Amino acid sequence: SYDLTQPPSVSVSPGQTARITCSGDGLPKQYVYWYQQKPGQAPVLLIYKGSERPSGIPERFSGSSSGTTVTLTISRVQAEDEADYYCQSADSSGTYRVFGTGTMVTVL
Amino acid sequence: QVQLVESGGGVVQSGRSLRLSCAASGFTFRNYGMHWVRQAPGKGLEWVAVIWYDGSNKYYVDSVKGRFTISRDNSKKMLYLQMNSLRVEDTAVYYCARWDQNLDFDFWGRGTLVTVSS
Repeated sequence: SYDLTQPPSVSVSPGQTARITCSGDGLPKQYVYWYQQKPGQAPVLLIYKGSERPSGIPERFSGSSSGTTVTLTISRVQAEDEADYYCQSADSSGTYRVFGTGTMVTVL
Repeated sequence: QVQLVESGGGVVQSGRSLRLSCAASGFTFRNYGMHWVRQAPGKGLEWVAVIWYDGSNKYYVDSVKGRFTISRDNSKKMLYLQMNSLRVEDTAVYYCARWDQNLDFDFWGRGTLVTVSS
């Protein structure tokens, strides 16, 4: 197994840009996915295959990668974006999934 | 619309067993693989197990291998997680999630809480 490391927390003012990194030795051999989880709720898929958005996800959410680090960018942050965010990928076989350590985004 | 509803959680003593269920609706269940994911109180997400659309392959995180069994009944549109030899560290909310080939975990249930007491 391998680990995906995220910063524990990110703080951002409304209207500004938040960037959440996810790093791991196994990246970017496998696709990375991003999920948003609000308190008491199930996670919601934000980004798939590194940079694609499912239908219904605002364009403010975007994904990118550079080397062994991938980044979720939230542009024009809104109060409703305050949540936990998780990256997710898989091992080299694509079978065993792994989630990142999670990042709490606080909107100041 | 896609719905996944977990059930079967509760309080159980260490060493005992519990079976979780996940009822699927709103999509052709037999065409999709399924996952179980858990989240300990105040902690992050942990992938637990995956089962192929036809039940032909099953894989587990190391910490539950030999204790948990994932299974499905496509005729009933049900997913299961049999959990044996439960440990305190298995305490978590357990989510079932649909596996889409492109989106991976594209739909999640609301979860069911399993509490293992010592």
